[in-house]
Amino acid sequence: TQLLEQSPQFLSIQEGENLTVYCNSSSVFSSLQWYRQEPGEGPVLLVTVVTGGEVKKLKRLTFQFGDARKDSSLHITAAQPGDTGLYLCAGAPGNQFYFGTGTSLTVIP
Amino acid sequence: DTAVSQTPKYLVTQMGNDKSIKCEQNLGHDTMYWYKQDSKKFLKIMFSYNNKELIINETVPNRFSPKSPDKAHLNLHINSLELGDSAVYFCASSQDTGGDTQYFGPGTRLTVL
Repeated sequence: TQLLEQSPQFLSIQEGENLTVYCNSSSVFSSLQWYRQEPGEGPVLLVTVVTGGEVKKLKRLTFQFGDARKDSSLHITAAQPGDTGLYLCAGAPGNQFYFGTGTSLTVIP
Repeated sequence: DTAVSQTPKYLVTQMGNDKSIKCEQNLGHDTMYWYKQDSKKFLKIMFSYNNKELIINETVPNRFSPKSPDKAHLNLHINSLELGDSAVYFCASSQDTGGDTQYFGPGTRLTVL
């Protein structure tokens, strides 16, 4: 069992559909981050959520931090082929940084 | 100007060989990391290095050793390569440890034959 479990592991949807990715843990985090990794590249930070219950929007992406700061979600509205990639949540309950198990998203035109 | 760079991009070698991967960051960050990403895309931290303090993930074999000539560089040396070492290795840096944003290099795809 990993510290940060993501679901689903794989997601293939049609362009224009909505989707939600979940990131869950039994540990409390002072903050959680979401990264996106495209093929052949390293992960790139999308957002950091800090306050329990916080909601952040980045264009068509909405990120939420759970009230207890143990989980987070990423919702994408009207997905586009450019959203295709590996989505990773990440955080550090202590001094060590952990990445989630990852969600591989494919948006079909 | 590339923030975090790694060389080489691809590395193909025989079992038993020793190899090194180089990493440089020009962001002025205090902390650097090495990650291993396996075939299932799971990204696992191997080392973090901050102001000469090395934190090692206890699951990393001692055939792997990080070497930091200065704050901007953290190289990864691997002895006696094994088939299971085949993976993509990412270097990253952040201003500090903990939950600071990490900036990743483009990765080095290592294939051990």
